[in-house]
Amino acid sequence: QKEVEQNSGPLSVPEGAIASLNCTYSDRGSQSFFWYRQYSGKSPELIMFIYSNGDKEDGRFTAQLNKASQYVSLLIRDSQPSDSATYLCAVSSYSSASKIIFGSGTRLSIRP
Amino acid sequence: DTAVSQTPKYLVTQMGNDKSIKCEQNLGHDTMYWYKQDSKKFLKIMFSYNNKELIINETVPNRFSPKSPDKAHLNLHINSLELGDSAVYFCASSLLLAGGFNEQFFGPGTRLTVL
Repeated sequence: QKEVEQNSGPLSVPEGAIASLNCTYSDRGSQSFFWYRQYSGKSPELIMFIYSNGDKEDGRFTAQLNKASQYVSLLIRDSQPSDSATYLCAVSSYSSASKIIFGSGTRLSIRP
Repeated sequence: DTAVSQTPKYLVTQMGNDKSIKCEQNLGHDTMYWYKQDSKKFLKIMFSYNNKELIINETVPNRFSPKSPDKAHLNLHINSLELGDSAVYFCASSLLLAGGFNEQFFGPGTRLTVL
């Protein structure tokens, strides 16, 4: 079993709709959860992080965490063509905060 | 004013050669990393240094040798390059904070092609 799993996509969403990206992780000791966005040919950039169960909102982005189900998701409201990218879920544990484990990413395509 | 820089951006070389990639960060971070991203976009950690000390060394062939002359620099030397080494190599840096927060800032990447 992979440590961090994501559906590779592509996930196609119409402009203006909600895009929902999902991620599961295997290490119950995981404490910190991150969403990175990577445009084609570019480097990953952090867009959201979450530590506690529940929702965290930042603009059009909402991260959701359920530690009991070992599940983290990212919702993008009012999707724009500029949101088309690969979204990487990443996880670290409190005991090894320096080691970030990345999922293989979900490719999101926003169609006009 | 680039935060994390890498050189070269592209590297094309023959099998068996030895090559180096350089990385520098001007963010004042204490931890630096090397990642390998394969053609399927899987980003895998290779090494991490904290204040010039190796703290993470994943299962990487010993043909790969990182060197950190100071906490702002982390270089990667690869001996006897193989076809399977072709990938994009990303350098990253972060400031480890209490509670496990670890935002990583990535360099632009070095696309290595081994022929």
